Amino acid sequence: QSVLTQPPSVSGAPGQRVTISCTGSSSNIGAGYEVHWYQQLPGTAPKLLIYDNSNRPSGVPDRFSGSKSGTSASLAITGLQAEDEADYYCQSYDNSLSGVVFGGGTKLTVL
Amino acid sequence: EVQLLESGGGLVQPGGSLRLSCAASRFSFSSYAMSWVRQAPGKGLEWVSAISGSGGHTYDADSVKGRFTISRDNSKNTLYLEMNSLRAEDTAVYYCAKPSRCSVGDCREAFDIWGQGTMVTVSS
Repeated sequence: QSVLTQPPSVSGAPGQRVTISCTGSSSNIGAGYEVHWYQQLPGTAPKLLIYDNSNRPSGVPDRFSGSKSGTSASLAITGLQAEDEADYYCQSYDNSLSGVVFGGGTKLTVL
Repeated sequence: EVQLLESGGGLVQPGGSLRLSCAASRFSFSSYAMSWVRQAPGKGLEWVSAISGSGGHTYDADSVKGRFTISRDNSKNTLYLEMNSLRAEDTAVYYCAKPSRCSVGDCREAFDIWGQGTMVTVSS
């Protein structure tokens, strides 16, 4: 299983707000390492969505936001749209593994 | 546009070897550490290996340590992954990825650029 824990799936109706959690431990998120989020559409490479916990790269809509507290982080998506249907992954660094770690991924379904 | 283009994937028998390449363009390749990340069919992302911008330091996940070797040729703007003693569980799409601002290799930064991936299938 993954070092970072995400719910396997979340869903919401168009226009609604959903959140995706990413739970770690004292050797990764809790140690102060930044959390990053990626969106992966079917059959494509991951795309950076949020970096350093809460920053959006140029071109990412402000409907996407990130936060971090303690050993967990969250991705929030407001005003859900059909094109948001994708897999979402969190990423951080783990000092006991001495490497990058990812969450198991969360499939977002727009109802 | 900054671009990464992987190649070299294919079908290989268990115990076999394969060499992946990743050609980089439109950024100062030697200024950035680079990583390989893989994704087994229907599964999540798994970091595999990283290398510093100079090539002098490498880092590997425990799952591939001793079997995979990451390297780079900065004169050719190309990243490599030499994979030996391949196992069925190594079957995955392999992506090369560039961190947003790291050169040392042991990066904690986000990956802002990803290649399109190359499929490796280990099967008899």
